[in-house]
Amino acid sequence: DIQMTQSPSSLSASVGDRVTITCQASEGIGKYLNWYQQKPGRAPKLLIYDASNLEIGVPARFSGSGSGTHFTFTISSLQPEDIATYFCQQYYNLPLTFGGGTKVEIK
Amino acid sequence: EVHLVESGGGLVQPGGSLRLSCVASGFTFSNYWMHWVRQSPGKGLEWVANINQDGSETYFEDSVKGRFTISRDNAKKSLYLQMNSLRAEDTAVYYCARGEDVAAASDLDYWGQGTLVTVSS
Repeated sequence: DIQMTQSPSSLSASVGDRVTITCQASEGIGKYLNWYQQKPGRAPKLLIYDASNLEIGVPARFSGSGSGTHFTFTISSLQPEDIATYFCQQYYNLPLTFGGGTKVEIK
Repeated sequence: EVHLVESGGGLVQPGGSLRLSCVASGFTFSNYWMHWVRQSPGKGLEWVANINQDGSETYFEDSVKGRFTISRDNAKKSLYLQMNSLRAEDTAVYYCARGEDVAAASDLDYWGQGTLVTVSS
């Protein structure tokens, strides 16, 4: 199984700050990497697919980059409504595997 | 608008069985791979199983192989997860999610609200 290592596990930032989360795959996965947002008590929501493509309707302050084993997710200007846990997920092969999540809080 | 609504969760004793259902609307259900993903309380996400469009292909996470069965009824736009020999470690919120139309492994672009399964004596 491909292991997805996500860091940090949590972070606290101020409104307007740039926030960066990383995800490392245990083997090369090309660009088969997605990012999800999960708010408390809610289902995950797909934000970015194929490492860098923004899902329709997702604000442009969210972005993703990377390929192979190293990926980055960025919120360019943190907003109060961005408080959530973010997960990466690989779909290079089955089983689909997720990173451990990054809980983003407002400082 | 795409909607996925799960049901069937509840409290069950270790060794027991439970059948989860997921009803889809807002898209052509029979065109898509469908998945079950679970999340233990306060923990991360774990993919459980998936099924292709006509039900002829299924895949499972290793810890549920031989205990869980995934199926679908395209006429009813419904996805199912039959869970047998349940263990405490199966306790989680179970989500159904829509995959792609061409690949077993994909992004999951729509999720249901989840149904809680608690395995405890």
